[in-house]
Amino acid sequence: KNEVEQSPQNLTAQEGEFITINCSYSVGISALHWLQQHPGGGIVSLFMLSSGKKKHGRLIATINIQEKHSSLHITASHPRDSAVYICAFPWDSGSARQLTFGSGTQLTVLP
Amino acid sequence: KAGVTQTPRYLIKTRGQQVTLSCSPISGHRSVSWYQQTPGQGLQFLFEYFSETQRNKGNFPGRFSGRQFSNSRSEMNVSTLELGDSALYLCASSFRTGLKLFFGSGTQLSVL
Repeated sequence: KNEVEQSPQNLTAQEGEFITINCSYSVGISALHWLQQHPGGGIVSLFMLSSGKKKHGRLIATINIQEKHSSLHITASHPRDSAVYICAFPWDSGSARQLTFGSGTQLTVLP
Repeated sequence: KAGVTQTPRYLIKTRGQQVTLSCSPISGHRSVSWYQQTPGQGLQFLFEYFSETQRNKGNFPGRFSGRQFSNSRSEMNVSTLELGDSALYLCASSFRTGLKLFFGSGTQLSVL
């Protein structure tokens, strides 16, 4: 999957730390999703954004469409934030318009 | 408001069998999409339905098919199961294409 790159793949932080997860993509897109997946499989959509910045509680997502880059920030991290974070975007691959996913960032927040 | 419901939660099948998975979207949502998640390939798009019509299809063989009913409930079918079809199958619904997605808990399929 070279249309999208997420970094880091794994991240371990201490409770209270500021966390940044990055998503870079190589194709033109109009919007990007940030998803959270907890053990057991359930996925929650955190943000869908097409420009600028969105904030929800301790989570902040930013996107720069021209630079093809998005970041997810978590302020004052907590052990309950431990999950896999995935960026995704709808993309016309030529044969279909489909949601394309990054490989995910496994975040572990230690108490 | 009830969330997206997927049934069954777990399923064990043998090679060559077929399987049908069900997804009931949030009330009022007309778009349902399906995804396959494996440790090796991650999340991959299968197909999307809107108002009973398949709008988009990912790069999966014809053994993978789906449909959507008039009440927006959707089913996906996999025929002639292969070991590599073992995966978590997730569906998501949204009011319409391109809006925020709401995911179900998934169906964990094991093919023996």
